[in-house]
Amino acid sequence: EAQVTQNPRYLITVTGKKLTVTCSQNMNHEYMSWYRQDPGLGLRQIYYSMNVEVTDKGDVPEGYKVSRKEKRNFPLILESPSPNQTSLYFCASSLRSSGYEQYFGPGTRLTVT
Amino acid sequence: SQQGEEDPQALSIQEGENATMNCSYKTSINNLQWYRQNSGRGLVHLILIRSNEREKHSGRLRVTLDTSKKSSSLLITASRAADTASYFCATDPAYSGAGSYQLTFGKGTKLSVIP
Repeated sequence: EAQVTQNPRYLITVTGKKLTVTCSQNMNHEYMSWYRQDPGLGLRQIYYSMNVEVTDKGDVPEGYKVSRKEKRNFPLILESPSPNQTSLYFCASSLRSSGYEQYFGPGTRLTVT
Repeated sequence: SQQGEEDPQALSIQEGENATMNCSYKTSINNLQWYRQNSGRGLVHLILIRSNEREKHSGRLRVTLDTSKKSSSLLITASRAADTASYFCATDPAYSGAGSYQLTFGKGTKLSVIP
């Protein structure tokens, strides 16, 4: 089944404790992206990747890191999480960038205390 | 970055009625996409309309695009309780920097269909 998977789905952590949210797609998509969703703010893009080893900042990259060493995986790293990073996070992928629908993962609900 | 803005923010209708949501944006686009999100879940793609298209249909969905007014509308006909969800438009910019690309989402319209 074609899908985007994220892990974990739920995470409660404390300020400053490094964490990684994994994202994997099985559709051989070139383009992958991370979004965060907050009430009243909609979806905001954190980072995106046009292809392997090619990543770029989105609208709200501060406090996050990403890597794209393999085509299928695009992990999101929070080196030192803070409470303002409490949010619902989505990974998405598409065959290429412009003109293609994005497939979304199920989301990761992160709480930083 | 450019962002689509949906209107209204919330809409409540009776089952069987039609629901219309609008999206406005600011700069030129290659295409515009509509997505649906059931509460707290991942977004699901509904339809993509290209800048040279004016109208597109998919089942009970009808999307229009007016590039002169920089606006799009999503019509759901004969709504069902299962259509209750948030609906987002996403704009694909016509001009991006070399090697860059961002699909930008609006804040969404929350649709409630009452049985």
